Amino acid sequence: SQKIEQNSEALNIQEGKTATLTCNYTNYSPAYLQWYRQDPGRGPVFLLLIRENEKEKRKERLKVTFDTTLKQSLFHITASQPADSATYLCALDKGAGRRALTFGSGTRLQVQP
Amino acid sequence: NAGVTQTPKFQVLKTGQSMTLQCAQDMNHEYMSWYRQDPGMGLRLIHYSVGAGITDQGEVPNGYNVSRSTTEDFPLRLLSAAPSQTSVYFCASSYSSTRGLHYGYTFGSGTRLTVV
Repeated sequence: SQKIEQNSEALNIQEGKTATLTCNYTNYSPAYLQWYRQDPGRGPVFLLLIRENEKEKRKERLKVTFDTTLKQSLFHITASQPADSATYLCALDKGAGRRALTFGSGTRLQVQP
Repeated sequence: NAGVTQTPKFQVLKTGQSMTLQCAQDMNHEYMSWYRQDPGMGLRLIHYSVGAGITDQGEVPNGYNVSRSTTEDFPLRLLSAAPSQTSVYFCASSYSSTRGLHYGYTFGSGTRLTVV
């Protein structure tokens, strides 16, 4: 069956360091992979999208990589700040034919000042 | 520009009652979907729509109905509420470019539903 795995353990890092979150998937061939941020009691907020033919995407302090051979995406936050503390969700989009997302369970990031 | 609006924000139902969760977007997005989020389980897709008049089932459709009569609205109906439907429900919308490229989803703020 299709499976998306994100590290269920919380990630604790010091302010200023780079946070790296992992998303692995099996039995899936996504055309797109997306990352979202979710704060407690709120809806997810879209951060970045990367297409299957792209290796890397950047936006300000965020970087996403997408390896379709390893079936893995890495999400990096450089120069992390306490305000980056949140749960980060990985989501796969199959593309044409089914226009909806399948989510991982998310990784909680805690940035210590 | 309000984005995606969900109502109500909170609701308590008795087992067996029915209700409709409202979702409206003002961005002219063709794609809309409903998710439920339970602790430790992430977001699971209930139903989705790729345009007015077109809907399809997601992973957990049982006990829920949807319709899409306009581009703007995508209501979710609970037919006979059960305690297992206690959850937080999110509606989301998105679009594609004229070249067929996909973009990220905009989510509503959620409806917290408790069934007793």
